[in-house]
Amino acid sequence: KAGVTQTPRYLIKTRGQQVTLSCSPISGHRSVSWYQQTPGQGLQFLFEYFSETQRNKGNFPGRFSGRQFSNSRSEMNVSTLELGDSALYLCASKRAGGEEKLFFGSGTQLSVL
Amino acid sequence: GDSVTQMEGPVTLSEEAFLTINCTYTATGYPSLFWYVQYPGEGLQLLLKATKADDKGSNKGFEATYRKETTSFHLEKGSVQVSDSAVYFCALSPGAGSYQLTFGKGTKLSVIP
Repeated sequence: KAGVTQTPRYLIKTRGQQVTLSCSPISGHRSVSWYQQTPGQGLQFLFEYFSETQRNKGNFPGRFSGRQFSNSRSEMNVSTLELGDSALYLCASKRAGGEEKLFFGSGTQLSVL
Repeated sequence: GDSVTQMEGPVTLSEEAFLTINCTYTATGYPSLFWYVQYPGEGLQLLLKATKADDKGSNKGFEATYRKETTSFHLEKGSVQVSDSAVYFCALSPGAGSYQLTFGKGTKLSVIP
């Protein structure tokens, strides 16, 4: 069974641009969540989607948004990039119901210059 | 709000040494507690979990006990190996259907032969 797939693996953008990251969950998983990982702040929750609906949102500005498609694939978008948005963005998926076990992808490393 | 505090390290141990990584938490209600591990260049993997007070999670020789009276979930291993070198994260989820994880800052472990 394939794991959580995130694309692209690396991205370099400049300030003011916008970026879209993609996440394909494990087959059969309907919950997808996103986390930002930085050396200073550690891992911080961005948002969670289930059946195309956002269920929870972390404390991030409105420049960070996401969505989930009917096949459970998810995208997150960051508009008007700032230097501080440089981070590893991790996606995790989970089966509906069942145990609380998240499966993480390898992440997208975003560098904002 | 919820928070997790763990010793930040880095921690360097010789092979076969005993490992303890301390983790304490602040949360309302009855959170579930987790230890995740991140190997270089990879996403996070669930190492072990405990969902209620006095539960002991264990996996691959690692153990942690959910202590509600001390709000702690310390990670231990009796004899570490070089392959255990990684970053370890303590985390909690609030339960009650929410899978939003709050993470500690992570502890980098290096095991030398």
